Amino acid sequence: GESVGLHLPTLSVQEGDNSIINCAYSNSASDYFIWYKQESGKGPQFIIDIRSNMDKRQGQRVTVLLNKTVKHLSLQIAATQPGDSAVYFCAENFYNTDKLIFGTGTRLQVFP
Amino acid sequence: DTAVSQTPKYLVTQMGNDKSIKCEQNLGHDTMYWYKQDSKKFLKIMFSYNNKELIINETVPNRFSPKSPDKAHLNLHINSLELGDSAVYFCASSQGISTDNEKLFFGSGTQLSVL
Repeated sequence: GESVGLHLPTLSVQEGDNSIINCAYSNSASDYFIWYKQESGKGPQFIIDIRSNMDKRQGQRVTVLLNKTVKHLSLQIAATQPGDSAVYFCAENFYNTDKLIFGTGTRLQVFP
Repeated sequence: DTAVSQTPKYLVTQMGNDKSIKCEQNLGHDTMYWYKQDSKKFLKIMFSYNNKELIINETVPNRFSPKSPDKAHLNLHINSLELGDSAVYFCASSQGISTDNEKLFFGSGTQLSVL
């Protein structure tokens, strides 16, 4: 079935710590994955993506890890800042389609 | 210079009314979408258009009718609004799989409240 992610959990971290947000996907035919950040009152904003032929990709302060064996995706944010507070969504793209399916999201709260 | 712009940002209306939400993208993308986000933040795809042609229709009630006059615009018309239609509606665009770039760019959303 079309199922990505978990029920909306909340992750609370202290400023400066590293954050790890996890996501499970169920469709083994998916070949492209994206992480989005959504701040209050705004639309989702692209953070980083990864294709199924990779298992790790790094950006500025963010790293995405893909484990196809267990259908697991994670987003690591280094030195978390207050501006990182938002809801984070993983999304998967079914092979050879324009259909991006979103997970239920994780709320990240950063405390000073 | 907003890449994906949708109007209005807020829409408050009575049950039974008909309303429209407009969306425009200036990115030159071929594919446009409508997503619905419920009160639990779950984002669900509703429609996808590629070059004015309907590609995806996710069993959305036929009260919802997307219209794409050209590939830069995808408007959403909703007839006979119901309480359950209250949500935030997001328009998005992408270059599409044909270009090996499926990344979506989202508008800022339209919060629809049906009273």
